[in-house]
Amino acid sequence: DVKVTQSSRYLVKRTGEKVFLECVQDMDHENMFWYRQDPGLGLRLIYFSYDVKMKEKGDIPEGYSVSREKKERFSLILESASTNQTSMYLCASSDRWGTGELFFGEGSRLTVL
Amino acid sequence: GNSVTQMEGPVTLSEEAFLTINCTYTATGYPSLFWYVQYPGEGLQLLLKATKADDKGSNKGFEATYRKETTSFHLEKGSVQVSDSAVYFCALRRNDYKLSFGAGTTVTVRA
Repeated sequence: DVKVTQSSRYLVKRTGEKVFLECVQDMDHENMFWYRQDPGLGLRLIYFSYDVKMKEKGDIPEGYSVSREKKERFSLILESASTNQTSMYLCASSDRWGTGELFFGEGSRLTVL
Repeated sequence: GNSVTQMEGPVTLSEEAFLTINCTYTATGYPSLFWYVQYPGEGLQLLLKATKADDKGSNKGFEATYRKETTSFHLEKGSVQVSDSAVYFCALRRNDYKLSFGAGTTVTVRA
């Protein structure tokens, strides 16, 4: 069974802390994505990676960075967490040119106090 | 730019009722269209898709037809079950191959 695994389901952090969200996929997919999900706004793309060490900014990259050192792993980094980054974060993967189908993890709910 | 607009929820139905969730899109050309579903406590998963005009996607009793005349991709199910309670997202594939998602519609089905 194909799988995208996010390391933490729930996190509580304080303003100014550095936060790492980890995502691992076992499908040998080239593309990996980080979205945030907020009520009434749907999913918004933060960053995208199409290969190891390659990344592109998505629609809302401000305040975030990413790292992809291995094909199966894609990390989202909040250098200095702020309260407006309280959200559900979803990782997804897909093959390079596929049909557009994304495979999602279960999500990481981050609360910044 | 390419985007989708879907009806706002929440939607509450009784079991065996008919469900429609409206989705319209704005795009250059004819992008692939998708419906994703998010069950409680889970990530999103693909429900159905259509890649060209007049295509009908179907899965688990749900259907949606790609209509270019009305730029729509409405989701329908003839008889819902409690297990269909979820958040439904309409999405389109942009020219840069990424997906743009709608705001999501929360559906609750009561026994």
